[in-house]
Amino acid sequence: AQTVTQSQPEMSVQEAETVTLSCTYDTSESDYYLFWYKQPPSRQMILVIRQEAYKQQNATENRFSVNFQKAAKSFSLKISDSQLGDAAMYFCAYRSASTNAGKSTFGDGTTLTVKP
Amino acid sequence: GAVVSQHPSRVICKSGTSVKIECRSLDFQATTMFWYRQFPKKSLMLMATSNEGSKATYEQGVEKDKFLINHASLTLSTLTVTSAHPEDSSFYICSASLPEEGPQHFGDGTRLSIL
Repeated sequence: AQTVTQSQPEMSVQEAETVTLSCTYDTSESDYYLFWYKQPPSRQMILVIRQEAYKQQNATENRFSVNFQKAAKSFSLKISDSQLGDAAMYFCAYRSASTNAGKSTFGDGTTLTVKP
Repeated sequence: GAVVSQHPSRVICKSGTSVKIECRSLDFQATTMFWYRQFPKKSLMLMATSNEGSKATYEQGVEKDKFLINHASLTLSTLTVTSAHPEDSSFYICSASLPEEGPQHFGDGTRLSIL
């Protein structure tokens, strides 16, 4: 079974600074998806960024980028120019590409605090 | 983009009441939906996989008779918490994904409080 590990329960960053959230995963599959979701205090789950395992290029979405190291099974999220609205709980998630069922495995989450 | 609607967003009811939560895919068909439970500041705990036209698949430790799931159409799955008790109080959230697409699309969740 796949597992996802987020080793940082809490992180903090100064507004306008950069922060990196860590995620490692364990799988025997070669084709899969990885995601970062954001859950603000409203508790709505918001997709931040996605990465297909077959793509070598790291995904970027505006201020959000990932460092995907397939061999090391690492998938960290970098938030640049942090904003107060980035404060949330962030979940790393894995999904196999071999089925259409869409079941995802989530990490335990990292709570990000942004200091003004 | 794909939208999942979850209703109601908040329920407060007395112990012993059964509560139904609906999860709808508004602009796509979802043969599979997922139901999660989340405690404060914790991760999403998968409760069950809802399969259209067939029985739901429950995760280990989840009581099938307590948490009834029905997926009668390609756009609607319901979770019924039967004879709810205070320990069932929690945040419940559903999700679905498009076939061969990666991410989950989540409902906004239901905050259930049993008095």
